[in-house]
Amino acid sequence: NAGVTQTPKFQVLKTGQSMTLQCAQDMNHNSMYWYRQDPGMGLRLIYYSASEGTTDKGEVPNGYNVSRLNKREFSLRLESAAPSQTSVYFCASRGSRGSTEAFFGQGTRLTVV
Amino acid sequence: GEDVEQSLFLSVREGDSSVINCTYTDSSSTYLYWYKQEPGAGLQLLTYIFSNMDMKQDQRLTVLLNKKDKHLSLRIADTQTGDSAIYFCATANQAGTALIFGKGTTLSVSS
Repeated sequence: NAGVTQTPKFQVLKTGQSMTLQCAQDMNHNSMYWYRQDPGMGLRLIYYSASEGTTDKGEVPNGYNVSRLNKREFSLRLESAAPSQTSVYFCASRGSRGSTEAFFGQGTRLTVV
Repeated sequence: GEDVEQSLFLSVREGDSSVINCTYTDSSSTYLYWYKQEPGAGLQLLTYIFSNMDMKQDQRLTVLLNKKDKHLSLRIADTQTGDSAIYFCATANQAGTALIFGKGTTLSVSS
């Protein structure tokens, strides 16, 4: 019973490099989210997908793209990484609009040098 | 847009009660949530309250909701060192499609 799985757990990138963070959930949830967590800033929503085939911008979408590949998977892409994107990234999923609980992955710690 | 505010730090002694406060701007959320994050881990739902309730009690946890003042609080009775963590208040956005989190309150419990 894996829940929400994120890969990788840690990553170091050079400025300008690209990478994709992967997220998969096995709970048949409709909604999936990407957040970033920075000290003193809490969790900020980057992008979300309310259902398969739809994606929407959150509070801090600049510099990121997302793909809702299917109902299970929601990936986050950094096309040209910048030091300001150094952060811990969390993927989450939720059953439906009225669901009480969002389930979080363990996070990806990304450092851009 | 929606905004959720929390104080950043709280320090208590073991055995005391802890009260973490939160204010929010958008009152359309059906539920309001408290999440807990332990070091190096993701967030886990601690408790939640339905928006038409004033209070919810769950063992050592008491959630109070004042809709008029848009104020939510979490009280932890008999706080233990294992309660040391970051606590996040969260509401849903207006469309109900995403959760909006506060900055988190770091609770430090000393023995």
